[in-house]
Amino acid sequence: AQKVTQAQTEISVVEKEDVTLDCVYETRDTTYYLFWYKQPPSGELVFLIRRNSFDEQNEISGRYSWNFQKSTSSFNFTITASQVVDSAVYFCALSEARRSNYKLTFGKGTLLTVNP
Amino acid sequence: EAGVTQFPSHSVIEKGQTVTLRCDPISGHDNLYWYRRVMGKEIKFLLHFVKESKQDESGMPNNRFLAERTGGTYSTLKVQPAELEDSGVYFCASSQAPGGTQYFGPGTRLLVL
Repeated sequence: AQKVTQAQTEISVVEKEDVTLDCVYETRDTTYYLFWYKQPPSGELVFLIRRNSFDEQNEISGRYSWNFQKSTSSFNFTITASQVVDSAVYFCALSEARRSNYKLTFGKGTLLTVNP
Repeated sequence: EAGVTQFPSHSVIEKGQTVTLRCDPISGHDNLYWYRRVMGKEIKFLLHFVKESKQDESGMPNNRFLAERTGGTYSTLKVQPAELEDSGVYFCASSQAPGGTQYFGPGTRLLVL
C-alpha cells in the first residue's frame, strides 16, 4: 500500500530564513510519481512539481528546490529566503503506476508560517 | 486556458438534504478525479473517471454518494441524504493522461448541520 508521511505538522520561520519540508513515502511499485502542492489561505491546491521515480536529479526553480532520494524514500522541499507569501499548507503526494489508476495519496500537510 | 472549476464554492445544508457538486475539468482532459478532505484528516481519493467511464470508485464512502460524468465533460457528485460526517472540502482534479499532473479546482466547502 502507498503511504506518505509529512512528520512536520507546523513550521514557523522568520522571513528570509531557509526552510525544508520533509516528505517520506512508501510504495511497492518501481514506477511512481511524487508531487508537491501548495494550499494558500484561499484554499485552492496549486501544483508545484511532479517527479517520476526514475529521475533522481534534484530540481531548482527560483527559490524552491527539491531533493529526491530513493535510498531513503524521501522527497524533501526547500524554500530559500522565505517570504510571507510562502505561508501556506504544503502537501506531498504519491501516485503509483500499477493498479492504482494514478490516484494521489497525500500526506497530512505541513503548515508553513513565514513571519515578517 | 481555463483551469478546473467547481461549483458551488460553499454549501451549507441540513442533515438529510441532498447536495450536488459540479466540476468542470480543463478542456481536453480525459481523466477526472474527486477527492475529499474532512476536518483534520488527509485529502482522500474518492473516484476516477476516464472520459465518461468510472475507472476506480474504491474511495467512495458509501452508496449515499453518486458521481456521474455525462458525455465525458463535466462531472457531478451527489450526496443523498447528507450526513454530518460528510462535511469537508471536496476537490476535483483533472489530468490529460494517466500519471500526468493532476490540476485541482478550488474545492467546494460542504457543511452539513
